[in-house]
Amino acid sequence: ETGVTQTPRHLVMGMTNKKSLKCEQHLGHNAMYWYKQSAKKPLELMFVYSLEERVENNSVPSRFSPECPNSSHLFLHLHTLQPEDSALYLCASSPGTGAENEQFFGPGTRLTVL
Amino acid sequence: TQLLEQSPQFLSIQEGENLTVYCNSSSVFSSLQWYRQEPGEGPVLLVTVVTGGEVKKLKRLTFQFGDARKDSSLHITAAQPGDTGLYLCPPLGRLYFGRGTQLTVWP
Repeated sequence: ETGVTQTPRHLVMGMTNKKSLKCEQHLGHNAMYWYKQSAKKPLELMFVYSLEERVENNSVPSRFSPECPNSSHLFLHLHTLQPEDSALYLCASSPGTGAENEQFFGPGTRLTVL
Repeated sequence: TQLLEQSPQFLSIQEGENLTVYCNSSSVFSSLQWYRQEPGEGPVLLVTVVTGGEVKKLKRLTFQFGDARKDSSLHITAAQPGDTGLYLCPPLGRLYFGRGTQLTVWP
């Protein structure tokens, strides 16, 4: 048990659908992250939240919309995605965002866009 | 910017063999972490190395941080199928993971 849960674990959606990915951390951390992991590519950082405020947005297309209602929950809202957006989406949390903080990952959501 | 390189990118071995994977950079890091990611799961932290020259052991896994804190290695003794996974070595707190080494251990 990593203390970070993600739902759903698998998601198949069409390009016109709207769906949301959910992440919850039970570790009392203040920072949460979304990563994208595609085949044959390194983990790509998408968004960073610290105390519910977005502190980093790595040039992610607007069809991905994050939401952090509190320090324990993080959502990634998806709309009009493309097939190339198919990937494993990983959520992580850490005590803070400083360089000394270790990240703890959830199991990921395997997304397939048809 | 490529902060670090891992090698080999792919490694396929038989159960019982020994192996070493490497993490190299031209930059100096205060610390490095090693993660293992099993298929369909998120990365799990194995160890953090902090001091130049440091060696840490985790059962059959031996992690070493280079004296100059620019590189690190992971040696696995008598590999088992359960060691199969993607091994990543991000610098602590840098949020950059690199391509990793995909290890497959066959029974």
